[in-house]
Amino acid sequence: DGGITQSPKYLFRKEGQNVTLSCEQNLNHDAMYWYRQDPGQGLRLIYYSQIVNDFQKGDIAEGYSVSREKKESFPLTVTSAQKNPTAFYLCASSQSLDPEVGQYFGPGTRLLVL
Amino acid sequence: DQQVKQNSPSLSVQEGRISILNCDYTNSMFDYFLWYKKYPAEGPTFLISISSIKDKNEDGRFTVFLNKSAKHLSLHIVPSQPGDSAVYFCAASGRDDKIIFGKGTRLHILP
Repeated sequence: DGGITQSPKYLFRKEGQNVTLSCEQNLNHDAMYWYRQDPGQGLRLIYYSQIVNDFQKGDIAEGYSVSREKKESFPLTVTSAQKNPTAFYLCASSQSLDPEVGQYFGPGTRLLVL
Repeated sequence: DQQVKQNSPSLSVQEGRISILNCDYTNSMFDYFLWYKKYPAEGPTFLISISSIKDKNEDGRFTVFLNKSAKHLSLHIVPSQPGDSAVYFCAASGRDDKIIFGKGTRLHILP
């Protein structure tokens, strides 16, 4: 079955540590996105990518980095510069940036700071 | 400044009745609106969308209404079912194609 997988489900980060969240899709979608959800907040866009080897900053990109070396994969690194990383991270993909098609979301990764 | 506002954090509706979830927006440049449904610890699921050139879109039990002059849209679910209990996010998109999400409304369907 086609879909989006995110791993791990839970991730713990120590102070000063970089951690990488995995996102893989087999929907053959061109566009991929990373969102962050905090309690009582809507989803906020961190980074998005329209095609391989190209990505754009979203609204809250500081302290995060991404890569898009393959169409299927869009990993997110939470760097030590991100001072408040505890959140629920959601990866999404869509056929294109056209909002009409809607986005498909993965199950999410919850990041906790030790 | 919130561009997409869902002013009701939660809503309780009797099973079988109509659920109405509301959403307001401030940016008149938005031209596409979407609703997503989210269960705990899962990613949101795309439900239904509407273009700004329409005022209504229907898909089974779900209908979205758009009032451009009031910058208001609503999602109607009828009849409401227990599986509809979830958080519903309103979202909007403009010419840059970035989707802006509201904070969500938690819907409880009561037996």
